[in-house]
Amino acid sequence: NSKVIQTPRYLVKGQGQKAKMRCIPEKGHPVVFWYQQNKNNEFKFLINFQNQEVLQQIDMTEKRFSAECPSNSPCSLEIQSSEAGDSALYLCASSLSRTYYAEQFFGPGTRLTVL
Amino acid sequence: GDSVTQMQGQVTLSEDDFLFINCTYSTTWYPTLFWYVQYPGEGPQLLLKVTTANNKGISRGFEATYDKGTTSFHLQKASVQESDSAVYYCVLGDRDSNNRIFFGDGTQLVVKP
Repeated sequence: NSKVIQTPRYLVKGQGQKAKMRCIPEKGHPVVFWYQQNKNNEFKFLINFQNQEVLQQIDMTEKRFSAECPSNSPCSLEIQSSEAGDSALYLCASSLSRTYYAEQFFGPGTRLTVL
Repeated sequence: GDSVTQMQGQVTLSEDDFLFINCTYSTTWYPTLFWYVQYPGEGPQLLLKVTTANNKGISRGFEATYDKGTTSFHLQKASVQESDSAVYYCVLGDRDSNNRIFFGDGTQLVVKP
């Protein structure tokens, strides 16, 4: 069972609308990742944080996507103006370490449908 | 750049059959290799991990050997159960990847009772 909590589990938006999803990482994990998983099961890295600081983000994220991990609050990923191509499962993962060999613990995801 | 290839999109077996899922990788450094499993309605979870070349990882009856010579990390299980039905992802991470990990396209395992 996932210890990473993601809300909501399902999100339906119209094109151009904002879509916001939240993630509570596993307790004690300072590193948080966001991935987009499309219907073909392909994973795309979006952004990661260590505590409140952004470590890396892809170009797509810099334009319409915004994310934050404030202290003592859930992390969030927001799409400012949703497009049909954004329909996907958004997975949040947390880890004890930012290193490539550390296990990542995934939540169940938020399934976004953009009509 | 780093990449992982899983040639089989779906594997269909009967209970007690032998499982083999193919995975090959490409990297310029010394990777850590993982198998993650994703059950319906859940996020991926770590099945096993191997950090050193020519070592084997074993978990829950599954095993995979990090073969540097053939750049492969195939997943095997001697006898599958219906509860093993899930999507299996071969995953790679190394120091040249900016600490990111790279997922293969996944192999859907369907085990019939």
